[in-house]
Amino acid sequence: QKEVEQNSGPLSVPEGAIASLNCTYSDRGSQSFFWYRQYSGKSPELIMSIYSNGDKEDGRFTAQLNKASQYVSLLIRDSQPSDSATYLCAGAYNTDKLIFGTGTRLQVFP
Amino acid sequence: ETGVTQTPRHLVMGMTNKKSLKCEQHLGHNAMYWYKQSAKKPLELMFVYNFKEQTENNSVPSRFSPECPNSSHLFLHLHTLQPEDSALYLCASSRRDRNTEAFFGQGTRLTVV
Repeated sequence: QKEVEQNSGPLSVPEGAIASLNCTYSDRGSQSFFWYRQYSGKSPELIMSIYSNGDKEDGRFTAQLNKASQYVSLLIRDSQPSDSATYLCAGAYNTDKLIFGTGTRLQVFP
Repeated sequence: ETGVTQTPRHLVMGMTNKKSLKCEQHLGHNAMYWYKQSAKKPLELMFVYNFKEQTENNSVPSRFSPECPNSSHLFLHLHTLQPEDSALYLCASSRRDRNTEAFFGQGTRLTVV
């Protein structure tokens, strides 16, 4: 059974702080990882993709992948109240199957 | 116009009804997906179509019947559903050669009464 695990939260951080979201996966065969943001009542929105070990930065977001530890993380710098949402981690198996975690709810308070 | 469009946005149906959900993508993708999202559960992959061919049926009950007439359109036909089938149904699309970066439609909120 391929699984992606996340802490459901909520993770509460003050405005301006760094939010750190974590994800582990069970299958070493997974090749690609994604972070989606989902606002309440809305559909998931792709915010980051990462395919190789190390860090990938895009604006205030940094994704980190460690395949040896089967660990993926997302850092959000200078967190804003508008970042409050559920963040879904997903791993890709083969090229056409995404497995999602349950998501971590992030709350950024002013 | 959004890349992946789903209709209807909301649907209430009785257990004896037959209805269909529609999804259309304007991104030139060749893979389309149906996901189910229930409260407190991960997104559940239901069906995958690549180049109109079904490549995944994730043990979905036969009361859900997908149809993919071409790479841009995907349907989910519903009949004799149960109240526990009430959920958000999400369509997504991707290009198989882009490491499965999937883009979602707005979803259909389904309530079975």
